[in-house]
Amino acid sequence: DTEVTQTPKHLVMGMTNKKSLKCEQHMGHRAMYWYKQKAKKPPELMFVYSYEKLSINESVPSRFSPECPNSSLLNLHLHALQPEDSALYLCASSQDAGAGANVLTFGAGSRLTVL
Amino acid sequence: GQNIDQPTEMTATEGAIVQINCTYQTSGFNGLFWYQQHAGEAPTFLSYNVLDGLEEKGRFSSFLSRSKGYSYLLLKELQMKDSASYLCAVTDSNYQLIWGAGTKLIIKP
Repeated sequence: DTEVTQTPKHLVMGMTNKKSLKCEQHMGHRAMYWYKQKAKKPPELMFVYSYEKLSINESVPSRFSPECPNSSLLNLHLHALQPEDSALYLCASSQDAGAGANVLTFGAGSRLTVL
Repeated sequence: GQNIDQPTEMTATEGAIVQINCTYQTSGFNGLFWYQQHAGEAPTFLSYNVLDGLEEKGRFSSFLSRSKGYSYLLLKELQMKDSASYLCAVTDSNYQLIWGAGTKLIIKP
């Protein structure tokens, strides 16, 4: 299995809703990432988990809350989002973090619209 | 600061060759990646260079010159399906991945 699976593919939510994005990989990768991508922009790193521990939080607002229940799963909990948070949210994994030849395998993304 | 520059958009003809350039200024260097991203889809890995020279992989080749802070992605025998954005990314001394803004490649028949 060489895939990263993300659900849901599309999500529309109001500013008072609570929702979660889910990500799963079965490649034995020890690093998992959340990226945010706006149209015509490169991916913007949000969080990195290495060996199930949060290793990088790129000053992301607390309305985004990551969770890594085990080495194969990564969640992103969303609460009280703003319309400007509408974007494509990409999950990725790699063999490990902190290496030069760290090829990222991305999921197909969850397109989030905040009304 | 850290900076990666690549052209915003390029146009090429089906069957032709195109070269997409990338220049970088980063705090340290631990490798350079090229990813392809079709509209509305996730990026997919194309190539990785850490030593100077040319890496060839089928129709795609990637070149690196560390002394010049320069790389290019060469696409041969262009096909319509090569229409996509091409993202250059560099791993810095802290192993953080710094992304360029991407080059949108338009292929015309």
